[in-house]
Amino acid sequence: GENVEQHPSTLSVQEGDSAVIKCTYSDSASNYFPWYKQELGKRPQLIIDIRSNVGEKKDQRIAVTLNKTAKHFSLHITETQPEDSAVYFCAVPGGATNKLIFGTGTLLAVQP
Amino acid sequence: SQTIHQWPATLVQPVGSPLSLECTVEGTSNPNLYWYRQAAGRGLQLLFYSVGIGQISSEVPQNLSASRPQDRQFILSSKKLLLSDSGFYLCAWRAGTASYEQYFGPGTRLTVT
Repeated sequence: GENVEQHPSTLSVQEGDSAVIKCTYSDSASNYFPWYKQELGKRPQLIIDIRSNVGEKKDQRIAVTLNKTAKHFSLHITETQPEDSAVYFCAVPGGATNKLIFGTGTLLAVQP
Repeated sequence: SQTIHQWPATLVQPVGSPLSLECTVEGTSNPNLYWYRQAAGRGLQLLFYSVGIGQISSEVPQNLSASRPQDRQFILSSKKLLLSDSGFYLCAWRAGTASYEQYFGPGTRLTVT
């Protein structure tokens, strides 16, 4: 079945720096790659996603890039702000019903 | 627009007591529904999912069960809670198997004492 690995598990950056989180997956047929942000005590929120026919997608300070050949995709956050501090999860669909398989999460801390 | 509700928001229950958590979705029909559990500081563990009324798939063997008595209602139950059942329970929905975007409910924080 599909397997997702997410790195790093924790990431600390200074305010204004960039942050990059990477996920690798195993099923080359995967065609949808979302990222979720979970603030402390809150629900995970879908913040950006990309389909396999696109190499990059941007939304203001966040972007997702996809390398289908290498089977990995990354979340890029530029000009980080303290409110970006959260746990970020990647996911890929797997199984007969395309249920999302989540990565183990990355705790991002933005130091003011 | 679609909305997902969960209740209660918080719950404190003694070991051995029963549990019933409810999730309802508005504004869509025949959604795929999911129950996740998140232990403190940990990842998202998929417990159950349902692609239709009465159809439940279990991901992890445990003392929990799920039911879907109506199209937009998903219930998580236990007959006897364990300390290890403490956690943040999240319900989620998708528009269907062919739709990928998945959205989470506000969650129920369960503490078993």
